Amino acid sequence: DAMVIQNPRYQVTQFGKPVTLSCSQTLNHNVMYWYQQKSSQAPKLLFHYYDKDFNNEADTPDNFQSRRPNTSFCFLDIRSPGLGDAAMYLCATSRDVTGGANVLTFGAGSRLTVL
Amino acid sequence: GDSVTQMEGPVTLSEEAFLTINCTYTATGYPSLFWYVQYPGEGLQLLLKATKADDKGSNKGFEATYRKETTSFHLEKGSVQVSDSAVYFCALSDRATGANNLFFGTGTRLTVIP
Repeated sequence: DAMVIQNPRYQVTQFGKPVTLSCSQTLNHNVMYWYQQKSSQAPKLLFHYYDKDFNNEADTPDNFQSRRPNTSFCFLDIRSPGLGDAAMYLCATSRDVTGGANVLTFGAGSRLTVL
Repeated sequence: GDSVTQMEGPVTLSEEAFLTINCTYTATGYPSLFWYVQYPGEGLQLLLKATKADDKGSNKGFEATYRKETTSFHLEKGSVQVSDSAVYFCALSDRATGANNLFFGTGTRLTVIP
């Protein structure tokens, strides 16, 4: 089945130790997103790639970076995780449809714990 | 700016009860509206959507009607089951502000007890 796969599902890191989360998709969607979801809150968009074009949200901290080496893969790098970065990180994809509804397909998420 | 206001939870219902979760929105242009569901330990899944006024989205017994006059997209189900226990998110995408984003409500946790 075509899907969005996130690895790892659970990541524990120490304060300040860099972390990389990965996302892969078999849907051949041209748009990929990273959302941060803290406990009992709505998902918050960090950034997205439209093909190779990177689009950063204005309030995303510099501590968060992303790479998309090809259509299928996208990475979230947290350079120096703080306690406040503990959250579920959701990857999503969509096919840009002019004039249509932008339906996102989400992965299962990567839960980050910062000690 | 665009925003979604969602009924606060948590909501606890007995099996076979009627469910309504309220959602209202503010948008600049002509948004598409969605309900996503998040089961415990999982990512979000699209439940249903509507792309224009008076459209009704439906799936798995859930329904929501896009009401432009009241800027609402309330989620309903006539008879809930234990397996419907999850967090439900109302969301919109607005082509006027760039369709490559979803604005989510804060989520409503539903617990259905036998």
